[in-house]
Amino acid sequence: KNEVEQSPQNLTAQEGEFITINCSYSVGISALHWLQQHPGGGIVSLFMLSSGKKKHGRLIATINIQEKHSSLHITASHPRDSAVYICAVRRVGGADGLTFGKGTHLIIQP
Amino acid sequence: DGGITQSPKYLFRKEGQNVTLSCEQNLNHDAMYWYRQDPGQGLRLIYYSQIVNDFQKGDIAEGYSVSREKKESFPLTVTSAQKNPTAFYLCASSIGPTGQPQHFGDGTRLSIL
Repeated sequence: KNEVEQSPQNLTAQEGEFITINCSYSVGISALHWLQQHPGGGIVSLFMLSSGKKKHGRLIATINIQEKHSSLHITASHPRDSAVYICAVRRVGGADGLTFGKGTHLIIQP
Repeated sequence: DGGITQSPKYLFRKEGQNVTLSCEQNLNHDAMYWYRQDPGQGLRLIYYSQIVNDFQKGDIAEGYSVSREKKESFPLTVTSAQKNPTAFYLCASSIGPTGQPQHFGDGTRLSIL
């Protein structure tokens, strides 16, 4: 079983819909990251969370430490939001660097 | 603008050859990382370095080597001992090792001829 699980693996939605991507992890962590990967391959860091909730524009990320679960929400989705969204965690006591989920491939149709 | 530069974007290697992937950052970050991405899998950590002249193996270091002679540079060599080197390689950096946001390069796609 992977230490970081994301759902869904693939998501297609219509422009304007509210999007939720989920991430569950099974290890102790010091931080959780949400990343965005565009078709060319480059990755952009969206959020880093250790507790609570963060908002940036139309993106909202939440984390529940007790339940070992995080969600990424996109409000008023737009075709330019189409990308792979990746959840990653920094394990407590593990090697440095991040442990990644497999990603959620999001397509927003006009 | 500050950032991470990986070169080349596409790289082809003949079997049995070593090849070196370049990663340069001008963010003044202490920590640098190399990850490998395969289709349908999450990124996996190959090597990381928290400071100049020091580096540590990640989860899949076999068949790879690195150096960190300068703060700005963290080249990755894919040796002939790496049995399945075809993959997408991403370099990243962060201010320090304790979970700060990581900045990523645009990646290098390595293929075996």
